[in-house]
Amino acid sequence: AQKVTQAQTEISVVEKEDVTLDCVYETRDTTYYLFWYKQPPSGELVFLIRRNSFDEQNEISGRYSWNFQKSTSSFNFTITASQVVDSAVYFCALSEASPAGTDKLIFGTGTRLQVFP
Amino acid sequence: EAQVTQNPRYLITVTGKKLTVTCSQNMNHEYMSWYRQDPGLGLRQIYYSMNVEVTDKGDVPEGYKVSRKEKRNFPLILESPSPNQTSLYFCASSLQGSSYNEQFFGPGTRLTVL
Repeated sequence: AQKVTQAQTEISVVEKEDVTLDCVYETRDTTYYLFWYKQPPSGELVFLIRRNSFDEQNEISGRYSWNFQKSTSSFNFTITASQVVDSAVYFCALSEASPAGTDKLIFGTGTRLQVFP
Repeated sequence: EAQVTQNPRYLITVTGKKLTVTCSQNMNHEYMSWYRQDPGLGLRQIYYSMNVEVTDKGDVPEGYKVSRKEKRNFPLILESPSPNQTSLYFCASSLQGSSYNEQFFGPGTRLTVL
């Protein structure tokens, strides 16, 4: 069965610290997609990244980077030099390429990141 | 501006009083979906729709109904709301019902059932 685990419920850091948010997933499919979404205090969900199961290259976007490792079924997210504006709940999600194409996202329970000045 | 809109954004109601939360997208997306977000549980899918007149249950459909008469609209109906349906609800849409597509989320509707 599909499952996404975000073991860190809440993380607190001081501005400029680096922080890594962990995501471990379970799936029986060989083709799947992984996502990260950000939910700031205002409540909306903001898409951050999508990664397919055949692309294990790490990705960097400004202060954000993602480490995808199929061997450990992990898709971790690192924020470098964190800022107060990074304070949010971050969700990792999994979508399998089922024949029905149901496009269902399986979300983790989220990690609340608080960045203090 | 491409967007998913939901109304109302906030709603307080009482047990048993039927309500509808509307969802509309202006991106001509085929796929639409409803999720609920609860503390410690993340987001869970309630219902989804692959296209007009095609809907199916997600993981937590009990107590909810949906309809998809037009491509742009996907209302969520609670015929007889109960306190355990107090939650934050999100509507989402994507181009097609494929796992690759990014889902665009609405701003959320915070529902309280007393």
